[in-house]
Amino acid sequence: SQQGEEDPQALSIQEGENATMNCSYKTSINNLQWYRQNSGRGLVHLILIRSNEREKHSGRLRVTLDTSKKSSSLLITASRAADTASYFCATGEHLNNNDMRFGAGTRLTVKP
Amino acid sequence: GAGVSQSPSNKVTEKGKDVELRCDPISGHTALYWYRQSLGQGLEFLIYFQGNSAPDKSGLPSDRFSAERTGGSVSTLTIQRTQQEDSAVYLCASSLAAGSYEQYFGPGTRLTVT
Repeated sequence: SQQGEEDPQALSIQEGENATMNCSYKTSINNLQWYRQNSGRGLVHLILIRSNEREKHSGRLRVTLDTSKKSSSLLITASRAADTASYFCATGEHLNNNDMRFGAGTRLTVKP
Repeated sequence: GAGVSQSPSNKVTEKGKDVELRCDPISGHTALYWYRQSLGQGLEFLIYFQGNSAPDKSGLPSDRFSAERTGGSVSTLTIQRTQQEDSAVYLCASSLAAGSYEQYFGPGTRLTVT
């Protein structure tokens, strides 16, 4: 069964705007990861945040984690048309740290 | 260095036939994962290997699905008596070890059952 659930399911913005995607999960986790997928093929890892971290940055990406609310957000600043893709969160469960459970993803479209 | 590779990239098969999908992980990665993704959907976890053993087979949809890994490297996912609902992209990923490690994904195998 899926663990992370992304929100919104789809997001359309203009180039230069910021994009915020959210992920909620149900069980206790060790870590949460965000991935990006182009064209329905392989996923690319973006960032990993551990359960004892609250915020992490990587280039134009900013990820926050609120374990009390069991939620995470991915912020892409100054978006570009090339950021158009599906974004997935995946959680490593606290008691079952050996597989990752993915959500259904947020489809981001950045219009030039 | 080489990433995760999968073969074939596309497979069209008739209902009832068996298919075998192959995954070559990154050298040195001890953990290997199989996922399935239907059109426009998220990833469905199928099975993972740590070395040659599969501690968690709970994601396999039915007993028509099986997977093995030999030599701690290549893995094959076999689907027997394929059904139309098996049509999906099958993704393989590997990581240094099972647990809180980044997963590296292959390009996937698109399976179409007619």
